[in-house]
Amino acid sequence: DQQVKQNSPSLSVQEGRISILNCDYTNSMFDYFLWYKKYPAEGPTFLISISSIKDKNEDGRFTVFLNKSAKHLSLHIVPSQPGDSAVYFCAARAFYSGGGADGLTFGKGTHLIIQP
Amino acid sequence: ETGVTQTPRHLVMGMTNKKSLKCEQHLGHNAMYWYKQSAKKPLELMFVYNFKEQTENNSVPSRFSPECPNSSHLFLHLHTLQPEDSALYLCASSQDPGTSGGGSYNEQFFGPGTRLTVL
Repeated sequence: DQQVKQNSPSLSVQEGRISILNCDYTNSMFDYFLWYKKYPAEGPTFLISISSIKDKNEDGRFTVFLNKSAKHLSLHIVPSQPGDSAVYFCAARAFYSGGGADGLTFGKGTHLIIQP
Repeated sequence: ETGVTQTPRHLVMGMTNKKSLKCEQHLGHNAMYWYKQSAKKPLELMFVYNFKEQTENNSVPSRFSPECPNSSHLFLHLHTLQPEDSALYLCASSQDPGTSGGGSYNEQFFGPGTRLTVL
C-alpha cells in the first residue's frame, strides 16, 4: 500500500512555461515533505521541503504548496528550463516524538521533460 | 557532489557470492541510511543508523547485513542474493534532527548509488 503517490509517471512541458508536479499522501502522521530531483546515473538531490505547519514554501523558481486537508502537495517550477528535465520524487516523513533519525517514504517519481 | 560516496558504482554477482557495498559521507552527519530502488518501484528504506546504532530495519531479509563502524562509514554486506534483489542501492546521510539545533527535520543527502545485478 503506497503511502506517497505520484500518479503521473511523466510530464512534458514547454521551455519557459510552468511545470506542476503533483503528489498525494495517505498517512496523516506525515509532517514534513520533501522534493528530490534525480538525473540518470546520479543519486537523488534535495530540492525543496515544506513543514506541515506551512502551506507554501518558495525558493527561486521552485515553490511547493501543501494542502493538508486534501493530503496533497505540488511542486511548481517557473519558468521551466531544459536543465529541469529529470525525475522528481516526492518524499514524506512521519512525526514521532522519540528523537533520532527516521527514514523517508518516497513516491515512484515523475519524469519531467522540458521541450525547447 | 553531495558529499556522499558509494563504491562500487556497478556490481554483478552470482547467487552464491559474498560482496559488500560501501558508503562514506564527508558531511559530518550522524545518521546514515540504506535505500533500495527496484524497477518501477519507489525508493524503499532498508536500514537506518543513528549514532552508529541501528534504529530501524524495515523487514529486510537476512541476506542483507548492514554494518556501521563509525558515523562516516556504512556497509551493506550481501550473501546468497536472489535475482530479484537486482536493483539500485542508495546510501544517504543526514544530521540527527534532535541535535541539529536548527529545527526538527532532516534533509537526507544521497550518494550516486550502486547498480547491483544478481545472476
